[in-house]
Amino acid sequence: DTEVTQTPKHLVMGMTNKKSLKCEQHMGHRAMYWYKQKAKKPPELMFVYSYEKLSINESVPSRFSPECPNSSLLNLHLHALQPEDSALYLCASSHSGTTGANVLTFGAGSRLTVL
Amino acid sequence: GQSLEQPSEVTAVEGAIVQINCTYQTSGFYGLSWYQQHDGGAPTFLSYNALDGLEETGRFSSFLSRSDSYGYLLLQELQMKDSASYFCAVPGGQGGKLIFGQGTELSVKP
Repeated sequence: DTEVTQTPKHLVMGMTNKKSLKCEQHMGHRAMYWYKQKAKKPPELMFVYSYEKLSINESVPSRFSPECPNSSLLNLHLHALQPEDSALYLCASSHSGTTGANVLTFGAGSRLTVL
Repeated sequence: GQSLEQPSEVTAVEGAIVQINCTYQTSGFYGLSWYQQHDGGAPTFLSYNALDGLEETGRFSSFLSRSDSYGYLLLQELQMKDSASYFCAVPGGQGGKLIFGQGTELSVKP
């Protein structure tokens, strides 16, 4: 299996809702990532998990809460989001370490709209 | 810190060859990679250079010169389906943080 699977593909939520984005990989990768991407912009790193531990948090607001239940799963819990948080949220995985990070396998993304 | 520069857009015709350049500044060097992203899709990995020289993968090649902090992606025999955004990227030091350039939008015309 060489895929990273993300669900849902599309999500519309109000500013008071709580929702979660899910990501699963069975590539044996020990590093998993959340990126946020706005239209016509590059992916912007949010979080990195290495061996199920949070290793990088790019000063992301607390309304985004990541979770890594096991080596195959990565969640992003969303609460009290703002309209400006509307974006494509990309999950990725790779072999661990700085060199491993060169080769990311991305999921198809979850397109989030906050009303 | 890390920064990357690449042209914002490039236009070429079907069958042609196009080169997308990338210059970078990093506090340490751990490789230069390239990703393709079609409109509405997710980025997909194309190529990676850790050492100087040319890496060839089918119609796509990537080149690196560490002394010049410079690399390029070469696309040969362009096809309409190559119309996409292309990002160069470098790891941002320890911990597996990949930093992307602003992206080059390639338009292939008939």
